[in-house]
Amino acid sequence: EAQVTQNPRYLITVTGKKLTVTCSQNMNHEYMSWYRQDPGLGLRQIYYSMNVEVTDKGDVPEGYKVSRKEKRNFPLILESPSPNQTSLYFCASSLTSGGSSGNTIYFGEGSWLTVV
Amino acid sequence: GENVEQHPSTLSVQEGDSAVIKCTYSDSASNYFPWYKQELGKGPQLIIDIRSNVGEKKDQRIAVTLNKTAKHFSLHITETQPEDSAVYFCAAYRGGSQGNLIFGKGTKLSVKP
Repeated sequence: EAQVTQNPRYLITVTGKKLTVTCSQNMNHEYMSWYRQDPGLGLRQIYYSMNVEVTDKGDVPEGYKVSRKEKRNFPLILESPSPNQTSLYFCASSLTSGGSSGNTIYFGEGSWLTVV
Repeated sequence: GENVEQHPSTLSVQEGDSAVIKCTYSDSASNYFPWYKQELGKGPQLIIDIRSNVGEKKDQRIAVTLNKTAKHFSLHITETQPEDSAVYFCAAYRGGSQGNLIFGKGTKLSVKP
């Protein structure tokens, strides 16, 4: 079964305590990305990766880091979380970066992060 | 850059009625427009998509129309059912090296039995 798996699903943390949200896909997809979803703002892209060792900033990258050492994994790192990073985070993957009916984007189930 | 506007933000219909959600985009180069459904506690899932060389696409009770000249596209759900209740997102493919989707802000659809 095609899956994008994120962990943890729920996390409450304190300001400044480094945390990592893991993401793994089992479809051998090249393209992976992270989004955050906030009320009234929809889904906004944080970082994306075209392939292994190729990552780049999305629309709202401040305060985040990513790495892509293996094709299947794309962790999101918050080095020093702040309350404005309280949000619902989604990892997503697709075969390539192209937009077409044959290149469906699959989303994980989401990670609720609260920074106090 | 590309911008996608989505209306309405909330929509309540009676079971069996139709629901229409509208989106506009700004970049005339955008050529792929998917719609996602997000159920409570889950990630968005693709329900239908359309390319810019097609004016309309149907899949059972859902359809999407695209007016490339006016740069707007719409999702139509007929004979709505309570299980259609969810948040719906439209998106436009940005293209270029970033190659990702720009999403609308979402529409919360409630179908009342």
